[in-house]
Formats: sequence, structure tokens, C-alpha cells
Amino acid sequence: GAGVSQTPSNKVTEKGKYVELRCDPISGHTALYWYRQSLGQGPEFLIYFQGTGAADDSGLPNDRFFAVRPEGSVSTLKIQRTERGDSAVYLCASSLAPGDTEAFFGQGTRLTVV
Amino acid sequence: AQSVTQLDSHVSVSEGTPVLLRCNYSSSYSPSLFWYVQHPNKGLQLLLKYTSAATLVKGINGFEAEFKKSETSFHLTKPSAHMSDAAEYFCVVRDNYGQNFVFGPGTRLSVLP
Repeated sequence: GAGVSQTPSNKVTEKGKYVELRCDPISGHTALYWYRQSLGQGPEFLIYFQGTGAADDSGLPNDRFFAVRPEGSVSTLKIQRTERGDSAVYLCASSLAPGDTEAFFGQGTRLTVV
Repeated sequence: AQSVTQLDSHVSVSEGTPVLLRCNYSSSYSPSLFWYVQHPNKGLQLLLKYTSAATLVKGINGFEAEFKKSETSFHLTKPSAHMSDAAEYFCVVRDNYGQNFVFGPGTRLSVLP
């Protein structure tokens, strides 16, 4: 596609439920990133994929968070047993390759846990 | 480890006056540096990037930034602010050995008529 696509754009879920957030990167981009942005703050790194593998998952806050990218393109961020503190905008980005290229960001998924 | 400091959480300027948004970084290796802008309810858009070429970098919409290694700074400037520049601005660092992009806390720019 023309840009990074994230679905859904908004998600409201009840505390304790499971959610999946989807990211379609720019075609041909091998690197994919997930970030979380809380209100009034800068994006915080969660996980980085190079191809199908998670090259760096050091930003995942706990074991309730998990992400996959099985075919090296689309990625899904999965959150189990959601908590109200998980409410944030989840951003996905892709870049052509590791190195000095910039990341292109999607519009984000606004997750609200009630 | 990499980190970014944006010294001002909020900057307010009058339309037509210069803009200065300050950024200092910490990086173990030779960094790549970026400025992104985020308008309300919009995605992050790249303004400009420094990747070890010219130290003065020109970006979109009249913005530019200068990489100063001795000061570990990458301040963003624009000669004349426009109302449409009102947004949140993020300075971002990435080690050339690193993988992820580390964001600063952001500076909210307000432009007064």
C-alpha cells in the first residue's frame, strides 16, 4: 500500500479481555516497529522485527504483551488480560532496512480499556 | 544507551517570528537524528533527518536543523512561523548500530496570531 496501515483505528475493550492490533507495513519494508504513546508523552518503543523474527523485544512491558510477524509482512500486537493502564495509542512503523533510513508511521490504534 | 532530551515541553511564538525547538541527545555510537511532527489526531510525519552527511539539514515546510557533535545537539529552527506549524514535535535518535528509534518527550509548539 501507499503507507503503513493500522486496524482498527479505535478499539474499546473491557478490562481483562484479549485484544489484537494489526499493522500492514509499506510493501518491501523489512523492518517493523511497535510503539505505545500515552497521552502527552512521546512514543515508547515496544518491539522491533527484522523480517519474521523479533530482533528486539526489550520494550514489551510484561508477558501480557506479545507480537508476531509470521510472513515478514503484516504484524499483530496481542495484549492479554487488558488493564486500564494499557489504554494508549499503539503506533506501528516500518522502514526499508536497518541503518540510517527513517521510519514511516501509521495513524495508530487508540486502545481504551474500560 | 541512547536518550533524547527536549528542553522545552511547550514553546509559544507569534506568527511570522522565528521558531527554535531544542534537542540534546546521548548516543554511544555515531547517531542518526530525526525530527518528526504530529498534528492533532494525525500520524507522525518526518520533517528532516541527519545521517552523517551535511551537518545542516533542510527539511519540509521551511524547517532546518543543525547537528553539533561537540554540543550533542540537534536543534530545530524555522525563520518564520506559520499558524499551520502548531503541533507536537519529537526529536528522535537512532544509533547506527542500534535498531529502534528513541523518542524525546516532545515539544508542543503554539503559534499565536
